[in-house]
Amino acid sequence: NAGVTQTPKFQVLKTGQSMTLQCAQDMNHEYMSWYRQDPGMGLRLIHYSVGAGITDQGEVPNGYNVSRSTTEDFPLRLLSAAPSQTSVYFCASSDLVGNTIYFGEGSWLTVV
Amino acid sequence: SQQGEEDPQALSIQEGENATMNCSYKTSINNLQWYRQNSGRGLVHLILIRSNEREKHSGRLRVTLDTSKKSSSLLITASRAADTASYFCATDLSSNTGKLIFGQGTTLQVKP
Repeated sequence: NAGVTQTPKFQVLKTGQSMTLQCAQDMNHEYMSWYRQDPGMGLRLIHYSVGAGITDQGEVPNGYNVSRSTTEDFPLRLLSAAPSQTSVYFCASSDLVGNTIYFGEGSWLTVV
Repeated sequence: SQQGEEDPQALSIQEGENATMNCSYKTSINNLQWYRQNSGRGLVHLILIRSNEREKHSGRLRVTLDTSKKSSSLLITASRAADTASYFCATDLSSNTGKLIFGQGTTLQVKP
């Protein structure tokens, strides 16, 4: 059972480039979310989804897009990367709202 | 400021001692969760305590919740060097959206 899988683990982007962080879970979880973690801080919610075809914004959604075409996948897109988006990104999933959330291992993104 | 605020920000103890971390929050919650994060890794779920519960145990971990004071504490008994990590509380708000709001974390160092 792989759990929550994120790719890539490390990425360096130039300002203005676009990229997609991939997230997949094999637990048939309905709820998926993306967080970013900056040095010395907790996680801040970017976007989340309560099921296929449904997405919504979190605390810090600007500069990011998401889609949820399948239950398994929840990609996070950066349309035009900025240095302020340098961070560690975590994808997470849960079977039900209000239950334990399982996290991926993180994706380290640097925008130069 | 963030929904969850943790105290202390850093804690250093000797192996065998107990470690207590506190979390305060501002609004009504559905549940409160504690996570551990080892350096450079993802978050690992420790305990979930619901708003109608006052105390939960899991091995050497004890979590209390006082909804009247909007606070929770995590106690790690008989600490080990392997407990060295950052610990985060996260609140699941009563809006039932499943969005977790994280505190900034407590960095625990357990010296052998």
